[in-house]
Amino acid sequence: DAGVTQSPTHLIKTRGQQVTLRCSPKSGHDTVSWYQQALGQGPQFIFQYYEEEERQRGNFPDRFSGHQFPNYSSELNVNALLLGDSALYLCASSLAGAERKNTEAFFGQGTRLTVV
Amino acid sequence: AQTVTQSQPEMSVQEAETVTLSCTYDTSESDYYLFWYKQPPSRQMILVIRQEAYKQQNATENRFSVNFQKAAKSFSLKISDSQLGDAAMYFCAYSTGGSNYKLTFGKGTLLTVNP
Repeated sequence: DAGVTQSPTHLIKTRGQQVTLRCSPKSGHDTVSWYQQALGQGPQFIFQYYEEEERQRGNFPDRFSGHQFPNYSSELNVNALLLGDSALYLCASSLAGAERKNTEAFFGQGTRLTVV
Repeated sequence: AQTVTQSQPEMSVQEAETVTLSCTYDTSESDYYLFWYKQPPSRQMILVIRQEAYKQQNATENRFSVNFQKAAKSFSLKISDSQLGDAAMYFCAYSTGGSNYKLTFGKGTLLTVNP
């Protein structure tokens, strides 16, 4: 089991550019959540996707958007990059359903985005 | 809005000793979940232990245990017989719906284990 995989591992972009980060969930999982972790901070929830729809969203501007594909993989897109968007972006997958309260979220190793 | 506070930015412990990491939270919900996550230099968040608020019994997982004080909104993590591999950032987190729901994290505590 490959667990949660994210790509790329590192990325450097220029202010104003757009970026797409990718996440493949753990086998059998159908829900993907994205978090932003600034240096020295705890992760902050961006949004969650289930059944190809955004189900929950944190306090992030519309520049942050996402997508979930039929195979449950997901993309995080950030437009008009700002220096403050530099962070570690974490993807977490989990399983929805009747026992959703008892499922564990598994995290990937993240994508380190640097905006210059 | 729910908040999670970790008042210890850094802690250190001698190998084989016991250390306690503190966490407090604020919520108006009655049904919620609390977690401790470990983030080693590999960056991957690893679930250490989970506590359901409706359970009075404190959760334990091998050398890891929690002291859950619901009225005080306190959720501390005790690591017994500390090992070098325990060195990492530890995050306390809160969720209203278990692991499948939005997690709210504290700022973390950096744990150093001295040989």
